[in-house]
Amino acid sequence: DAKTTQPNSMESNEEEPVHLPCNHSTISGTDYIHWYRQLPSQGPEYVIHGLTSNVNNRMASLAIAEDRKSSTLILHRATLRDAAVYYCILRLAGGTSYGKLTFGQGTILTVHP
Amino acid sequence: GAVVSQHPSRVICKSGTSVKIECRSLDFQATTMFWYRQFPKQSLMLMATSNEGSKATYEQGVEKDKFLINHASLTLSTLTVTSAHPEDSSFYICSARDSDRVGNTEAFFGQGTRLTVV
Repeated sequence: DAKTTQPNSMESNEEEPVHLPCNHSTISGTDYIHWYRQLPSQGPEYVIHGLTSNVNNRMASLAIAEDRKSSTLILHRATLRDAAVYYCILRLAGGTSYGKLTFGQGTILTVHP
Repeated sequence: GAVVSQHPSRVICKSGTSVKIECRSLDFQATTMFWYRQFPKQSLMLMATSNEGSKATYEQGVEKDKFLINHASLTLSTLTVTSAHPEDSSFYICSARDSDRVGNTEAFFGQGTRLTVV
C-alpha cells in the first residue's frame, strides 16, 4: 500500500482555521485520498475523501495538489470537539482489498479555547 | 449515515476465559467486515477481514485460533478472544462496508470495545 506521511501533532485555537497536511508521494492513479478522525476512546469517523478535485462537505474541505503527491484537510473553524487524531489514508478503488484501511500514526490535533 | 454497532463497549474478564465481541451493521448489509486492534497511544492495526458465509482472512502475525471470527449473517460479525491473557487487553474496533454501495465510499466504524484482561 502507498504510504502517507503526516506531522505527529498540531495545535490550533478555537474558531480559527486548521490546515492538516499529508504527503503521499507514491500515490498511484487509482488511489483515493481518505481522511478519518478518531476522538478519544471511540472508533474512527469518516471525514472526507477525494481523487483529484478539491472536495467540500459539511465537516471539512480537502485540497489535493495537482500532482496528487500531497493533500490538505481544512477545518474552517476549529471547535473543541474537533480535537482528535486525524488519519490520512490512501484507499484502493477496488479489488480484493477494497474496504481495507491501513492506518498510519496520524496527526494529533489539539484545539485551545 | 450508516451505523455500525459494537457490543459490549467495555468488558473485563479473567485470564484464561473467552470473550465475544459483536459487530452489527444496523441499516445496511455488509458482506465484508474488518476487525482492528489498537493499543494505547498507537494506531489501529488490521487483524482480519471477515467475510459473510466463508472463512475470515487473517493478517500476518494474528493467531486465527486465538481470535475466532464468525460472520454468519449479512449484518453480524463476531470476534471471540479465546483464552484471554493480559497482553490481549486492547481496544478492538470493527468496520463494515456497505455491500449495496459501489465505488469508493467511506468505511463505517463501530464505537469500539475496550477489553481488559485481569
